Amino acid sequence: DTAVSQTPKYLVTQMGNDKSIKCEQNLGHDTMYWYKQDSKKFLKIMFSYNNKELIINETVPNRFSPKSPDKAHLNLHINSLELGDSAVYFCASDGQQETQYFGPGTRLLVL
Amino acid sequence: QKEVEQNSGPLSVPEGAIASLNCTYSDRGSQSFFWYRQYSGKSPELIMFIYSNGDKEDGRFTAQLNKASQYVSLLIRDSQPSDSATYLCAVNTGGFKTIFGAGTRLFVKA
Repeated sequence: DTAVSQTPKYLVTQMGNDKSIKCEQNLGHDTMYWYKQDSKKFLKIMFSYNNKELIINETVPNRFSPKSPDKAHLNLHINSLELGDSAVYFCASDGQQETQYFGPGTRLLVL
Repeated sequence: QKEVEQNSGPLSVPEGAIASLNCTYSDRGSQSFFWYRQYSGKSPELIMFIYSNGDKEDGRFTAQLNKASQYVSLLIRDSQPSDSATYLCAVNTGGFKTIFGAGTRLFVKA
């Protein structure tokens, strides 16, 4: 009965590879997000989708491409991975009164 | 650039004391304010939200908002070692966008 789930939990890969992270929420929320949390724990919004439509794209490199097949799913594909992409990526969905429910995070390490 | 500022800490308080966490924000049009707690290696979880000026209490937690001063705070009464975590202040600036502060690390010493 997990509310917001992400896969995989850990991702270790080489520079230049392409990888995807998947997110699903069973809360019935209309809005979903991708956040990046760097080594200094700063949590920064990347994308926001509302009812499968892209609402926010926060000057993220176009190597990052989100995709929302339906409002319960928001996936993130990353092309040509770079060292600086190493971080924890959190998916979240938006509940009542704009409160956010976060997934467990995907820890990405680019070698 | 809309910002949310927090003292990174660490803030260290003895068990049973009051922990006071502070946050300022730059966008005067912000309407919704949140405090999230994040344990090491875990995801952020909501503690409280506040929309109106004044105080809002929930158990041992009190959120305080002063829109004129663009200031939000979180008080934790009777602090417990289990409260040791990073506390993230977050501000919704409208249009599905929430900006998070860098967080304040709190240590509660037993």
